[in-house]
Amino acid sequence: DSGVTQTPKHLITATGQRVTLRCSPRSGDLSVYWYQQSLDQGLQFLIQYYNGEERAKGNILERFSAQQFPDLHSELNLSSLELGDSALYFCASSSTTLGTGELFFGEGSRLTVL
Amino acid sequence: GENVEQHPSTLSVQEGDSAVIKCTYSDSASNYFPWYKQELGKGPQLIIDIRSNVGEKKDQRIAVTLNKTAKHFSLHITETQPEDSAVYFCAAEGPRDTGRRALTFGSGTRLQVQP
Repeated sequence: DSGVTQTPKHLITATGQRVTLRCSPRSGDLSVYWYQQSLDQGLQFLIQYYNGEERAKGNILERFSAQQFPDLHSELNLSSLELGDSALYFCASSSTTLGTGELFFGEGSRLTVL
Repeated sequence: GENVEQHPSTLSVQEGDSAVIKCTYSDSASNYFPWYKQELGKGPQLIIDIRSNVGEKKDQRIAVTLNKTAKHFSLHITETQPEDSAVYFCAAEGPRDTGRRALTFGSGTRLQVQP
């Protein structure tokens, strides 16, 4: 158990809809990262937050947004969903402030867009 | 930005044999290279990492080598066991300045250890 909790584990929705994925980092970790893992693809970095502030941005679509709340949990919002958004979305947390250090991943939220 | 290429995409070995997975990276400023193992239905987990001031690091049956000149690094697993079967990801990270903060992952290698 990594200590990172993601909900929901599975989500099925239709094209055009909007969903919110939730992540609770390990106790004490200030950094939260979101990654997308599509079929037969590696982990694509979406966005990083550190103590409530956006710290780095990857290939995140404009239809996607995220935030980190004062209690350090984070939400990833995916809107106007397309079939190609079907993927496993991972949240990871880290305690380091300089560099990434070890990332602790949750078990992921599997999104299926029909 | 950083680009990490990983080979092979699948690897099948007999129990007890060695397995080698190779990665190349594009950003010469990258200085941190971790390897993650992802078992079925779980999130990736760090198994070993190496920083640019070191050429090799070993932890029991696992070792990582780094060639900064050639910009490639490799994972070596010796005496493989069935529980080593998983997907392995390499990654690279640059220094803490704009655009280089997050890990860039390779596309993964599915390792199958045959009993």
